Amino acid sequence: GQSLEQPSEVTAVEGAIVQINCTYQTSGFYGLSWYQQHDGGAPTFLSYNALDGLEETGRFSSFLSRSDSYGYLLLQELQMKDSASYFCAASSGYSTLTFGKGTMLLVSP
Amino acid sequence: EAGVTQFPSHSVIEKGQTVTLRCDPISGHDNLYWYRRVMGKEIKFLLHFVKESKQDESGMPNNRFLAERTGGTYSTLKVQPAELEDSGVYFCASSQGRQGALEQYFGPGTRLTVT
Repeated sequence: GQSLEQPSEVTAVEGAIVQINCTYQTSGFYGLSWYQQHDGGAPTFLSYNALDGLEETGRFSSFLSRSDSYGYLLLQELQMKDSASYFCAASSGYSTLTFGKGTMLLVSP
Repeated sequence: EAGVTQFPSHSVIEKGQTVTLRCDPISGHDNLYWYRRVMGKEIKFLLHFVKESKQDESGMPNNRFLAERTGGTYSTLKVQPAELEDSGVYFCASSQGRQGALEQYFGPGTRLTVT
């Protein structure tokens, strides 16, 4: 099985940079994904890491360190619309995606 | 390109009744997943189809839940008979390719309330 830990809430101001950390305990780990969810709506795919290192996608970047069982999502140039819940999710292979409990990001003016 | 769609958006039923949820994946996506989020809990994996075959159904809670994917297109998830603890939001997701588990596209969910 797998379990993931991430902070429950993070606050930041517009224009700032914020990092959301995720640690995982897993068997058969394959990769780590990040999803954004606004107000209980559809989770939206942001980024994934199957290999160690940094993946950059516009204002969002994701990092993975397999040796440390750790990853993070980096959000730059924060905007008010970035206020949402962010989930890390670990894959153990072809099928199963195990989600963390989510981090609520509050962006203030 | 149309995204993942789910029907209905909301369903309120009484304990003991039957409900069928439907998911239409993104056209051409072979992988289809069902998830459930109970209030206050994390999103939990239920099962995974590859085309019409069940690849992994380890997350299905019990035999009151039956999922099908006719012809490898849309999928249905039937709950019969429904219990109070089945309340929650049921998400469907689809993906394509070997990295499919890591890059999934979710539907808006069906909010199921069992009273």
